[in-house]
Amino acid sequence: AQSVTQLDSQVPVFEEAPVELRCNYSSSVSVYLFWYVQYPNQGLQLLLKYLSGSTLVKGINGFEAEFNKSQTSFHLRKPSVHISDTAEYFCAVSASGGYNKLIFGAGTRLAVHP
Amino acid sequence: DVKVTQSSRYLVKRTGEKVFLECVQDMDHENMFWYRQDPGLGLRLIYFSYDVKMKEKGDIPEGYSVSREKKERFSLILESASTNQTSMYLCASSIPRTSGSWSTDTQYFGPGTRLTVL
Repeated sequence: AQSVTQLDSQVPVFEEAPVELRCNYSSSVSVYLFWYVQYPNQGLQLLLKYLSGSTLVKGINGFEAEFNKSQTSFHLRKPSVHISDTAEYFCAVSASGGYNKLIFGAGTRLAVHP
Repeated sequence: DVKVTQSSRYLVKRTGEKVFLECVQDMDHENMFWYRQDPGLGLRLIYFSYDVKMKEKGDIPEGYSVSREKKERFSLILESASTNQTSMYLCASSIPRTSGSWSTDTQYFGPGTRLTVL
């Protein structure tokens, strides 16, 4: 079985500062990894996903994440955040191959302050 | 653009009532999902469906049932609502399977229904 731990429930940051949202997973098999974002009063939308290949994945809105197999991590980063990045961010994992469901982390609330 | 719509944004029901939550997607997706979202717990899968009239239990199916009579519509039913079912409910759909796996699929979410059971 897979599980996901998002290490910070809330991350406050000033506008234009860099940010890192941390995600660790556990799995006995190969996995696919996802980051979804939920803006206020909206459903989730995909930011980026890692399936295979390059461990550095670039997503929408200037976000990127790095897959680190040895540390079982998939941290999300942005070099300079905007007020509009204020949202809840969810890391998710699914086992590779076949028909496997997504397992979500508890979420990290990013609050960007002026 | 993929559109997933949910019938209500906010719903208030009484304990014991039968509750229907409706979800419609317009992109001919085969797979549809119902999650509940609770603070500190993230999203948990209630049920999913990979075809019309097909359904599979997720991680927390107790107290819920689903119906998928048409490809675009997936309904979540609370047979007898209880206060511990107060939550945000999110519907999602995913792109058609092409490679014998849906683990890589992007899921498209509706805006959610915030259900309060009193």
